[in-house]
Amino acid sequence: GAGVSQSPSNKVTEKGKDVELRCDPISGHTALYWYRQSLGQGLEFLIYFQGNSAPDKSGLPSDRFSAERTGGSVSTLTIQRTQQEDSAVYLCASSQGQNSYEQYFGPGTRLTVT
Amino acid sequence: GDSVTQMEGPVTLSEEAFLTINCTYTATGYPSLFWYVQYPGEGLQLLLKATKADDKGSNKGFEATYRKETTSFHLEKGSVQVSDSAVYFCALSDRGGGYQKVTFGTGTKLQVIP
Repeated sequence: GAGVSQSPSNKVTEKGKDVELRCDPISGHTALYWYRQSLGQGLEFLIYFQGNSAPDKSGLPSDRFSAERTGGSVSTLTIQRTQQEDSAVYLCASSQGQNSYEQYFGPGTRLTVT
Repeated sequence: GDSVTQMEGPVTLSEEAFLTINCTYTATGYPSLFWYVQYPGEGLQLLLKATKADDKGSNKGFEATYRKETTSFHLEKGSVQVSDSAVYFCALSDRGGGYQKVTFGTGTKLQVIP
């Protein structure tokens, strides 16, 4: 596609429910990143994929957070048993490869946990 | 670890005013430096970059110079427009953990009034 796409654009969920956020990277980009953008907190790195593997999961805040990537393309970020502090904008980015520093961002998914 | 510190906002300027947004960094290696911009309702976009000391990145009238001696990468524009209203993120990329990991500042919101 022309750019990185994410869905849904907005998600409102009740505390305790599970949510899945989807990212479609730019075609041919092997590296994919998830970030969380909380109000006043900047961008918090969550996880990095190279192909289908995740060599760096160091930013996942708890075991309620997981992510997978299939076919070297689409990625899904799953948050189980959501909490109010999970409310944030979740951003996905992709780049051409592990040696490329220029990341292309999607528009984000705004998650609100009530 | 790597870190980026940028001035807190919001910054409010009149149209045609001079803009400076300060950014300093801490890195163990020789990072590349970036400014990203996030317009309302959109994802982050790369605004400009500099890959080595004394390089000047420029785009859309914005400039920033990589100052290794002061570990700074301040963003400047001589005459801002209302359309420049956005959140600006300073970032660095360092090859840590086998890939180009990007560390972002907390963002500075710029509001330009007519």
